[in-house]
Amino acid sequence: NAGVTQTPKFRVLKTGQSMTLLCAQDMNHEYMYWYRQDPGMGLRLIHYSVGEGTTAKGEVPDGYNVSRLKKQNFLLGLESAAPSQTSVYFCASSYSDRANYGYTFGSGTRLTVV
Amino acid sequence: GQSLEQPSEVTAVEGAIVQINCTYQTSGFYGLSWYQQHDGGAPTFLSYNALDGLEETGRFSSFLSRSDSYGYLLLQELQMKDSASYFCAVRGEYGNKLVFGAGTILRVKS
Repeated sequence: NAGVTQTPKFRVLKTGQSMTLLCAQDMNHEYMYWYRQDPGMGLRLIHYSVGEGTTAKGEVPDGYNVSRLKKQNFLLGLESAAPSQTSVYFCASSYSDRANYGYTFGSGTRLTVV
Repeated sequence: GQSLEQPSEVTAVEGAIVQINCTYQTSGFYGLSWYQQHDGGAPTFLSYNALDGLEETGRFSSFLSRSDSYGYLLLQELQMKDSASYFCAVRGEYGNKLVFGAGTILRVKS
């Protein structure tokens, strides 16, 4: 039972390059999320999805795009990477929108933009 | 919007009890959650309080006072493996998805 799997685990990008972070979950969860984590700032919501084919903006969506073509996958894209996007990115999923169910997080992608 | 405040760092001795506080401000309250994150790891769900009072799960307990917009995580019989960051979270304005505090680093000393 893999839970939430993120690829890649590490990546270094040059300013202006693009990339896609992949997130896959095998728990049949409807809800999926992308967060970024920066020192001293906790986790901030980038985008989220409440089901296949749906996406919505979170707190810090600028510079990112997402897609949820299949229920089990949630992709995060950076079209033109900037040094300010250097961060650790976490994908999460949940069975329900209700907080008591808890979110299951992936192990993260550590991205450095130089 | 929402805001959550937690101490940035707490240090305690192995075997002791430690309390990590969280105060929050939110326009609509749907409960307080706690997550644990070991260094370099993924956050993991610890507990959730929707109603006032204490919820106990093994060595960990979580408390909520809605009238005070305050909660805490209580860790008993501290072990070295409890050294981690602890985040409180509430449902926020972005589709009621979780908004996290900045986290509290717990250091357990032997």
